[in-house]
Amino acid sequence: DTEVTQTPKHLVMGMTNKKSLKCEQHMGHRAMYWYKQKAKKPPELMFVYSYEKLSINESVPSRFSPECPNSSLLNLHLHALQPEDSALYLCASSQEAPPITDTQYFGPGTRLTVL
Amino acid sequence: QKEVEQNSGPLSVPEGAIASLNCTYSDRGSQSFFWYRQYSGKSPELIMFIYSNGDKEDGRFTAQLNKASQYVSLLIRDSQPSDSATYLCAVNFRYNAGNMLTFGGGTRLMVKP
Repeated sequence: DTEVTQTPKHLVMGMTNKKSLKCEQHMGHRAMYWYKQKAKKPPELMFVYSYEKLSINESVPSRFSPECPNSSLLNLHLHALQPEDSALYLCASSQEAPPITDTQYFGPGTRLTVL
Repeated sequence: QKEVEQNSGPLSVPEGAIASLNCTYSDRGSQSFFWYRQYSGKSPELIMFIYSNGDKEDGRFTAQLNKASQYVSLLIRDSQPSDSATYLCAVNFRYNAGNMLTFGGGTRLMVKP
């Protein structure tokens, strides 16, 4: 089973709203990732969590706040977003325990529209 | 700056033909290489990964890696209209802090019946 789930599938929010994106995997993976993908562009890495600790932050604005409550869950809290933040937000996970592989499996994504 | 380059296409092939997708990368320290398929509006789906120089075959797909030339390719044999999608080449570099996957811009493949 290589399933990563994400909720919601679609989200429309105003610039003053606070919302959260959720990601869950039950593959025992200990690394989880958030990516942002604009139309006709490749995914861009935002955050990496390894063993529930934030290990990589790709200079993402503070209006995006990640959280990893446990090894299966990853959240992305959104506050005071701008219309240019509208994109497909992808969650991915990969195995960190031996045998370590680098393969990342993606969830279906959340399509975010900021009005 | 780690870069991954792909021809954006579209690459148009007739049904039943071989589609050849190419990718070059800049970082010689890159350790693993992936091909993802992405249909419009959907998330990337893993097709193949390759770690060692040479060819790796999986069904109709063959990945080829040449680390000396910093070149990765994907061959799709007996192309089907359902293979029409954007193919993303991704290159991984493993830091102590975790994995960093860098994507190419993607090649759009069109398989015509």
